[in-house]
Amino acid sequence: QQQVKQSPQSLIVQKGGISIINCAYENTAFDYFPWYQQFPGKGPALLIAIRPDVSEKKEGRFTISFNKSAKQFSLHIMDSQPGDSATYFCAATGGSQGNLIFGKGTKLSVKP
Amino acid sequence: ETGVTQSPTHLIKTRGQQVTLRCSSQSGHNTVSWYQQALGQGPQFIFQYYREEENGRGNFPPRFSGLQFPNYSSELNVNALELDDSALYLCASSRNPGLAGGIFKDTQYFGPGTRLTVL
Repeated sequence: QQQVKQSPQSLIVQKGGISIINCAYENTAFDYFPWYQQFPGKGPALLIAIRPDVSEKKEGRFTISFNKSAKQFSLHIMDSQPGDSATYFCAATGGSQGNLIFGKGTKLSVKP
Repeated sequence: ETGVTQSPTHLIKTRGQQVTLRCSSQSGHNTVSWYQQALGQGPQFIFQYYREEENGRGNFPPRFSGLQFPNYSSELNVNALELDDSALYLCASSRNPGLAGGIFKDTQYFGPGTRLTVL
């Protein structure tokens, strides 16, 4: 109930391509879904976040798609660049808790 | 870069010792959450502090304890260190604790972490 399942575990994309990372959750009380980007040796940095009252949110090259009925959400990185190479985590929070529940992460490598 | 700072950056301890990690929250933030991130894993919630009191706890034993000070900075203390405690310890600050009945869940901003190695 508390898990957030993330896939794929790793992803290799060519420069200019689209990177897609998927997450699924069970707890219908979750009401805030952020994505974090983490570089080696650094803390996670907020990339983009969505609440379930919208189905899509776009910020620059990053888009979250949200499917409330399927309890799934995904991150799309358009025109992927080598500088996007990092580990991406989806997360969720809501209901009676204030803590974030994280997925296990996706290691993205963008090849030049 | 967020305004959340953590110290020290790295720490090496031996099994059975005690450790204290420190975190300064971002200006205007009154809530601090601590997470443990094992290698290759997502962060796991340890506990959260709001107005100097523990405001929620994850599945961690009592030897993990914390404090929050009037200036909203925080400490994480771990007693009787075990090898499995080796991890990156992350502090995150936010404006609201995300309590049940809270107004809204606010974004958590993470510090750079403290890398703890237990030998």
